[in-house]
Amino acid sequence: GAGVSQSPSNKVTEKGKDVELRCDPISGHTALYWYRQSLGQGLEFLIYFQGNSAPDKSGLPSDRFSAERTGGSVSTLTIQRTQQEDSAVYLCASSSGTGGEGYYGYTFGSGTRLTVV
Amino acid sequence: GDSVTQMEGPVTLSEEAFLTINCTYTATGYPSLFWYVQYPGEGLQLLLKATKADDKGSNKGFEATYRKETTSFHLEKGSVQVSDSAVYFCALFPKGRGSYIPTFGRGTSLIVHP
Repeated sequence: GAGVSQSPSNKVTEKGKDVELRCDPISGHTALYWYRQSLGQGLEFLIYFQGNSAPDKSGLPSDRFSAERTGGSVSTLTIQRTQQEDSAVYLCASSSGTGGEGYYGYTFGSGTRLTVV
Repeated sequence: GDSVTQMEGPVTLSEEAFLTINCTYTATGYPSLFWYVQYPGEGLQLLLKATKADDKGSNKGFEATYRKETTSFHLEKGSVQVSDSAVYFCALFPKGRGSYIPTFGRGTSLIVHP
């Protein structure tokens, strides 16, 4: 697509439930990134995909968080047994993945606002 | 490792005031420097960038110059508008293959009053 698309834009869930957040990157972008932005905080890096593989999972905060990417395109971030501290805006970004990031940066989606009640 | 330090906000200004948001960095190699802007309820948008020392990035009246000697990339605008109210992020992007993960500052909130 023309931009990075994230869905849903808003999600309210009960504590303990599982949620799935979706990211559809720009067509042809091989690199995909997930970030978390808590209220009043900066960007927390979660995970990075190059194609379907995730060379860097260092930012996932716990084993309740997982992510996958299929077909080198859409990615899903799954949070199991959600807790109130998981409430945040989850941002996805994509880039060409060819090393041009240092010149062109990322393109971000609008984010999914997750509220755990 | 790389780091980016931004001035803490919020920065509160009246319309038509001069804006400076400070950003300093530490990095290995010769990264590119970016400013992103986040309007309420939206994702981050690229505002401007500079890919090498002494480059000046500019967009929508905003400017920033890549200063290697002071390791800074301060954002400036001569006359802010209410519509500039947003959170501004300074970011450092390493160059070259295998170096795709940037370092973001914590963001600086700008509030412009009429």
